[in-house]
Amino acid sequence: DTGVSQNPRHKITKRGQNVTFRCDPISEHNRLYWYRQTLGQGPEFLTYFQNEAQLEKSRLLSDRFSAERPKGSFSTLEIQRTEQGDSAMYLCASSLERGTMGDTQYFGPGTRLTVL
Amino acid sequence: GESVGLHLPTLSVQEGDNSIINCAYSNSASDYFIWYKQESGKGPQFIIDIRSNMDKRQGQRVTVLLNKTVKHLSLQIAATQPGDSAVYFCAGRPMDTGRRALTFGSGTRLQVQP
Repeated sequence: DTGVSQNPRHKITKRGQNVTFRCDPISEHNRLYWYRQTLGQGPEFLTYFQNEAQLEKSRLLSDRFSAERPKGSFSTLEIQRTEQGDSAMYLCASSLERGTMGDTQYFGPGTRLTVL
Repeated sequence: GESVGLHLPTLSVQEGDNSIINCAYSNSASDYFIWYKQESGKGPQFIIDIRSNMDKRQGQRVTVLLNKTVKHLSLQIAATQPGDSAVYFCAGRPMDTGRRALTFGSGTRLQVQP
């Protein structure tokens, strides 16, 4: 399968714990994105990487959130000291830069986080 | 600020009919738009995209129309099938600013009645 994969698919944690999610993009895609989606809402942008460089961050990405893409391939999103308001679906997407054409973002299945 | 929104939260159609899902955007800086389909428990699935230098684009059974004057786009699905039942999102972003963040609307749930 050559789509975007995310692990784990589900994560239940207690408030105050740290969690880490992983995203593996489509293999030749140089751009990788993280979004958050709460029930009944559209995804909200968190951050974006081009290769290993983090080029854009949303105001939603508080200092408890950190994302990395160390070798320009897979990425991790860590949330420290989780809060109940962090409960959401965390979506990863990837795209391939195509010059002046719009680069379509393809999404993975998401990681559903529940903070108790 | 930049926002993308939808007129109706739920649309119910009969199988075989055509569906039209609407979306309004407020920021004229958005000039690249995408429609996504999201089934329960899955990530958004790309359907079709359009740039602001176009007013219509067709795919397989789908057509996207863009009216820049009134900042409105629509997704038309021909001969709607039960497998089309899902939540549909429009999303947009500027093309020439270097920004890549998509701004999504809250979605329209399409229900296809047999």
